[in-house]
Amino acid sequence: GENVEQHPSTLSVQEGDSAVIKCTYSDSASNYFPWYKQELGKGPQLIIDIRSNVGEKKDQRIAVTLNKTAKHFSLHITETQPEDSAVYFCAASGYSTLTFGKGTMLLVSP
Amino acid sequence: GAGVSQSPSNKVTEKGKDVELRCDPISGHTALYWYRQSLGQGLEFLIYFQGNSAPDKSGLPSDRFSAERTGGSVSTLTIQRTQQEDSAVYLCASSLGRQGGNEKLFFGSGTQLSVL
Repeated sequence: GENVEQHPSTLSVQEGDSAVIKCTYSDSASNYFPWYKQELGKGPQLIIDIRSNVGEKKDQRIAVTLNKTAKHFSLHITETQPEDSAVYFCAASGYSTLTFGKGTMLLVSP
Repeated sequence: GAGVSQSPSNKVTEKGKDVELRCDPISGHTALYWYRQSLGQGLEFLIYFQGNSAPDKSGLPSDRFSAERTGGSVSTLTIQRTQQEDSAVYLCASSLGRQGGNEKLFFGSGTQLSVL
């Protein structure tokens, strides 16, 4: 089955800096790669996703890049704000259910 | 409109007891998922319901775990003879069900299960 590795497990940045979270996956058949943000006491919420026919996607301060040859994808957050502090999960899916990484706790200090 | 609703939000039980966790998905969503989130771990897939198809039970960790979905809507996850290692947050999610797992999932806030 699919295996998703996520790094780093924790990331501390200063407000205004950029943050990058990286994930690798094992199944070359995977073609859908979403990112979820989980705030304390809440369920994860989709923030951006990318499909295998696209190499990069942007939505305001958030961008995701995908390298299918290397089987890795990354989340980029620019101009970080304290409200970006949360746990971020990457995931990959081929034909059915999502396999999630173990998460990255992002802390943005004012 | 209402999101995915899970109850109870917290459940404390004694080792060996059975527990039932409930999930009310978003109306009109045909796909429903259960995930387990242990401290410091990612989201572990448990079971997936899609319409009237047989559920994908491949993630259930043991035969003590079972789930059903009545009338294509509400789902109940049952854990029999609970063990301390069952302590975790149990998350339910639903989706439109048009693209298998390749679409936006809407998660509930979860049930925090503590087995003493």
